Amino acid sequence: DTAVSQTPKYLVTQMGNDKSIKCEQNLGHDTMYWYKQDSKKFLKIMFSYNNKELIINETVPNRFSPKSPDKAHLNLHINSLELGDSAVYFCASSQGQLNFSPLHFGNGTRLTVT
Amino acid sequence: DAKTTQPNSMESNEEEPVHLPCNHSTISGTDYIHWYRQLPSQGPEYVIHGLTSNVNNRMASLAIAEDRKSSTLILHRATLRDAAVYYCILSDLPNTGNQFYFGTGTSLTVIP
Repeated sequence: DTAVSQTPKYLVTQMGNDKSIKCEQNLGHDTMYWYKQDSKKFLKIMFSYNNKELIINETVPNRFSPKSPDKAHLNLHINSLELGDSAVYFCASSQGQLNFSPLHFGNGTRLTVT
Repeated sequence: DAKTTQPNSMESNEEEPVHLPCNHSTISGTDYIHWYRQLPSQGPEYVIHGLTSNVNNRMASLAIAEDRKSSTLILHRATLRDAAVYYCILSDLPNTGNQFYFGTGTSLTVIP
């Protein structure tokens, strides 16, 4: 069973469109994250949610809106897509804030904006 | 955030040990050293972490310098499946994932 799954795996769309990426984890973790990996392979945190509440929101345009309907899901909605949004987006999860818990990543969603 | 410095790339022959270095001269007393790796077309995966003492697990060993300004990830016998980008990351516990800043990592090539 896949621990952290993202859909879709590939997403090709045109500038100006709105798209969503879904993420689900079946590990029972209470913290979920979105990371962005750009063309230079830099991996940078975008958002962090703990028990459905936003903990961290790095300098991400407000066109990006995460939504967590429950602890097992963290979706990423992107409005008015721009060329610079092309990247691989990774969802991840971990357990708790008090003890060490390694991050578990999904296999990424490759977004291409044309 | 304390920064880490790693070589951009390294090569190893299959079935030989690999020592992947990481410099972190500005590490604070509460920073843990984490290692993750990213195989091609996959998300990063946890390898190992430590604070002061050397650590071993089924995947690798982590050797931490006495002054903690550097560390080395040791793969005891490299296999082709170990070809990946290896990231050395510093982070306070317990806020692990919230403070994870991945650098460029070391791209490991394993030669058959």
